[in-house]
Amino acid sequence: AQKVTQAQTEISVVEKEDVTLDCVYETRDTTYYLFWYKQPPSGELVFLIRRNSFDEQNEISGRYSWNFQKSTSSFNFTITASQVVDSAVYFCALTPNYGGSQGNLIFGKGTKLSVKP
Amino acid sequence: DTGVSQDPRHKITKRGQNVTFRCDPISEHNRLYWYRQTLGQGPEFLTYFQNEAQLEKSRLLSDRFSAERPKGSFSTLEIQRTEQGDSAMYLCASSPNLGLSNEKLFFGSGTQLSVL
Repeated sequence: AQKVTQAQTEISVVEKEDVTLDCVYETRDTTYYLFWYKQPPSGELVFLIRRNSFDEQNEISGRYSWNFQKSTSSFNFTITASQVVDSAVYFCALTPNYGGSQGNLIFGKGTKLSVKP
Repeated sequence: DTGVSQDPRHKITKRGQNVTFRCDPISEHNRLYWYRQTLGQGPEFLTYFQNEAQLEKSRLLSDRFSAERPKGSFSTLEIQRTEQGDSAMYLCASSPNLGLSNEKLFFGSGTQLSVL
């Protein structure tokens, strides 16, 4: 079975603090993709990153960085110097790479991040 | 630049009634997806179209649910004989076909359904 676990239900930080959102996944597939999406209060999920299982390089994009560790089945997301606009629900998701499931993303339950001024 | 558009934004209905939602994907995106999200949960996959062909359906999609994409552009999701358990946010997403698998999805703002 495939599963994504985001153990942190809610996190609250003060602006400018760094924060890490945890994501642990389960899959028997050797090839798969991992994603992070942001869902602000408006409700529209916004794509942040897509990573395939063969690419374990960490990635940095501005204040965002992602740490993919296959050995621990984790794909954690860090926001550096958080800002109020980062307040949202963040979802980690997994999808297999076989042809039939092009869009069957398996989402975690999400982590609600509140950044206070 | 128009994103994925969903209509209506909110729908309140009585149990037993039929409802229909519409999704207009980003122009030229030939893949379209429906997801359902309940409070405090992540979205759950319902079904997926490539052009007008419905290629995959989740077990969550009971016989009361039907989705269409007749001309490969907009899509409709109909729920017949609604039940209170159908109350959820229904999300539509689209993606281009760039010859890649598992491309990123562009989501709409969703239709919030409340069944009384």
